[in-house]
Amino acid sequence: QQQVKQSPQSLIVQKGGISIINCAYENTAFDYFPWYQQFPGKGPALLIAIRPDVSEKKEGRFTISFNKSAKQFSLHIMDSQPGDSATYFCAARFGSWGKLQFGAGTQVVVTP
Amino acid sequence: NAGVMQNPRHLVRRRGQEARLRCSPMKGHSHVYWYRQLPEEGLKFMVYLQKENIIDESGMPKERFSAEFPKEGPSILRIQQVVRGDSAAYFCASSLGTGGRYEQYFGPGTRLTVT
Repeated sequence: QQQVKQSPQSLIVQKGGISIINCAYENTAFDYFPWYQQFPGKGPALLIAIRPDVSEKKEGRFTISFNKSAKQFSLHIMDSQPGDSATYFCAARFGSWGKLQFGAGTQVVVTP
Repeated sequence: NAGVMQNPRHLVRRRGQEARLRCSPMKGHSHVYWYRQLPEEGLKFMVYLQKENIIDESGMPKERFSAEFPKEGPSILRIQQVVRGDSAAYFCASSLGTGGRYEQYFGPGTRLTVT
């Protein structure tokens, strides 16, 4: 099974708040877990990524937490800003060719 | 360094026509992936190509869809005899390699509408 399950489907957070998006996977062959940010009408842009031998990675206001035993990983957006309003996709890479399996996406709206 | 380029950005086709989507990878990238995004869904892998070779087409429908990445020129995703269910955003991504440290960079996508 190569699904990646993402929740919630949508999220409304006030400016300055924390946005948390969760993903779960089944396939232990996944070797790389990126998060992408997508604005309407644009392509996905890589935001931050983590490998399964690391439990946490932080870049600016964005943090990935990774729990290998639970097969779960999450994205935390600290001090959320209106400019963070976008759709966020988690993904997992598998196979020899680096194919990405995407979650269904989370639409984040940050209110002023 | 220009990013991944795709054209056209929007494409309208009537049922039964052909759609040709083009993707120019980032300079120096020889690995191209095509993904399809249906409304309100995540991206689904379709095909992975290297120059002149289709390496993995496991996500591509068996009929009507084909892809190529010639020695010269962009990668092409071709959909013959389009149907309404083909309406989607098609994204290509390119990378320098396929190993652990190589990222995939996405283009802006082609939004195909079948009427």
